[in-house]
Parts: sequence; C-alpha cells; structure tokens
Amino acid sequence: NAGVTQTPKFQVLKTGQSMTLQCAQDMNHEYMSWYRQDPGMGLRLIHYSVGAGITDQGEVPNGYNVSRSTTEDFPLRLLSAAPSQTSVYFCASSYSFLPTPNEQFFGPGTRLTVL
Amino acid sequence: AQTVTQSQPEMSVQEAETVTLSCTYDTSENNYYLFWYKQPPSRQMILVIRQEAYKQQNATENRFSVNFQKAAKSFSLKISDSQLGDTAMYFCAFMKKTGANNLFFGTGTRLTVIP
Repeated sequence: NAGVTQTPKFQVLKTGQSMTLQCAQDMNHEYMSWYRQDPGMGLRLIHYSVGAGITDQGEVPNGYNVSRSTTEDFPLRLLSAAPSQTSVYFCASSYSFLPTPNEQFFGPGTRLTVL
Repeated sequence: AQTVTQSQPEMSVQEAETVTLSCTYDTSENNYYLFWYKQPPSRQMILVIRQEAYKQQNATENRFSVNFQKAAKSFSLKISDSQLGDTAMYFCAFMKKTGANNLFFGTGTRLTVIP
C-alpha cells in the first residue's frame, strides 16, 4: 500500500491564481479530510468526505472546493488564491469517522505559498 | 465552541525517562473523544492514542498512556521509556461524538528527547 499520497509537495502561487491539490489513498477508506496547518497552530478542518459523492464543510471552508468522484481521490481546489491561504495542507483518510490509531493515515503535506 | 489548550510550548526529557505533556479543553458536550497526535520532523501526522469520554479507564498504547480527568477537563499524555524517535510536536485534539469528524487541535508541545 502506498498509503496517502499528496501532490505537489511544494507550490508557489500568485494572488488570484487557482490550483488543485491532489490526494489519493489506496486503502479503500471511506472517510477523507483536508486540513490546513498554519505556523504555530494545530490543524484545522477544511472539508471532508464520508464516501464517493458525499462531501461537507469543516471549520474553515471558505475559498476551497472539493469533490469525491471515486473512493480513492479527494482533490482540494483553491478557487482564487489569497495570501491568507499560505499554509501547509494535509490530507487524511480513515476507515471510519472515528480516528483510531493505526487506522487513520495522513499524507506528507503540501506547502503552499501565495504571493 | 470547543477550545483545546496546551500550555507547554516546549519540553525536553532524557532518553529512557518518563515525560508528561499537559492538555486542557473546554466544551459543553458530555460525549466526545480526545486524541494525542505526534508530528515528527517529517511533518506526517500520526495518531498516537484515543480516549472516549464515557470511559473511565485511561487509554494506553504501548509506552503511551493518558490521564483523563473529565471533571477537570484535563487530558495529559505520559510517555514512558522515552526514545529518540519520540522527538516531535505533540498535539492534543478534541472531537464531538456526533456529526463530522471535525478535530479541534491545540497549538502543540515540542518534545525533544535528549540522548
């Protein structure tokens, strides 16, 4: 198993540009989530999905879109990048909604800088 | 709203010794879950341990154990026989029992294990 993969690892955008952060998992997990981590802070939930075709907003959804057309993939789209979206983005997946040790996995993160 | 507070920004421990990381939280919920996450220098988040609020027994996972004091809203992590690989940021997190798997994180404690 490759686990949870994220691409790209690093990205620099200009204000107003759009882009898609990719996340994929090969563990047949139903639950997938996107988090952002700002300097000196813990993670905050952006969007999550409980299965293919089902997504919902988390704590900080503004400026982001998601879709879940397959179980494996959960891309995060930045519609019009702003400097406030400079952060490290993590994708996570798990068997169930309840995170369990050795059953929840995070990707390595994407470091995004918006100029 | 849920808040999670980690009052120790940095801690250090000698290899093979025991260290305790503190966490307090504020919620009006009666049923919820608490977690400790580890973020090593590689940045990839790892779920270390989970505690259900309805369980009086403290959770343990190998060298990691918690001291859960529901009335005091306190949730500390004890790491026994500290190893160099335990060097990481440790985040305490809270999740309501119902609804999305929306984790609320503290700001983290940076733990350094000294050889």
